[in-house]
Amino acid sequence: ETGVTQSPTHLIKTRGQQVTLRCSSQSGHNTVSWYQQALGQGPQFIFQYYREEENGRGNFPPRFSGLQFPNYSSELNVNALELDDSALYLCASSTPTLTGANVLTFGAGSRLTVL
Amino acid sequence: AQTVTQSQPEMSVQEAETVTLSCTYDTSESDYYLFWYKQPPSRQMILVIRQEAYKQQNATENRFSVNFQKAAKSFSLKISDSQLGDAAMYFCAYRSASGGGATNKLIFGTGTLLAVQP
Repeated sequence: ETGVTQSPTHLIKTRGQQVTLRCSSQSGHNTVSWYQQALGQGPQFIFQYYREEENGRGNFPPRFSGLQFPNYSSELNVNALELDDSALYLCASSTPTLTGANVLTFGAGSRLTVL
Repeated sequence: AQTVTQSQPEMSVQEAETVTLSCTYDTSESDYYLFWYKQPPSRQMILVIRQEAYKQQNATENRFSVNFQKAAKSFSLKISDSQLGDAAMYFCAYRSASGGGATNKLIFGTGTLLAVQP
């Protein structure tokens, strides 16, 4: 079975620009979550998508938005980039449960640098 | 709000020896899950071990085991017979078991960088 794949692996943007990051979930997984990992920190939860709708969000402003497609792949969009948006963005997929018993499979991330 | 604290930014262990990584957390919930993830230089988070809070028995996975102290809100990871491939950043993480909402929301600590000396 294929794992979680993310693209691009690295990218550089300038302040004020917009960026789109992409994620293909593991086969059979229909729930996707995005995390931001700043340098030297643990990942922070941005949001989660299930059945093409956002069903959970962390403490991130509205300029962080996402999409989930019928094939369960997902996009993370960040508008009006700021220097502090420089980070590794991780995508994780899982099958849904009503509790937290499901295991997340992570991708290798997209490294965003904002200049 | 729940928090996870890892007080050891870096640790070092000799190959074949045993090392213990510390993690404490804070929560008012009674039902939750705790995890240890490994992040090698390849950046991909890999699940090492998982503990359900309602289980008193400590989880084990081959050379990896945990010491789960629910009353003390402590969740340490013991790596036995350390191998060079164990060198990585290790993150402790918490997830609520309450139903609905963001079931994939993990709360991570700041990580412990483990070096394995040959």
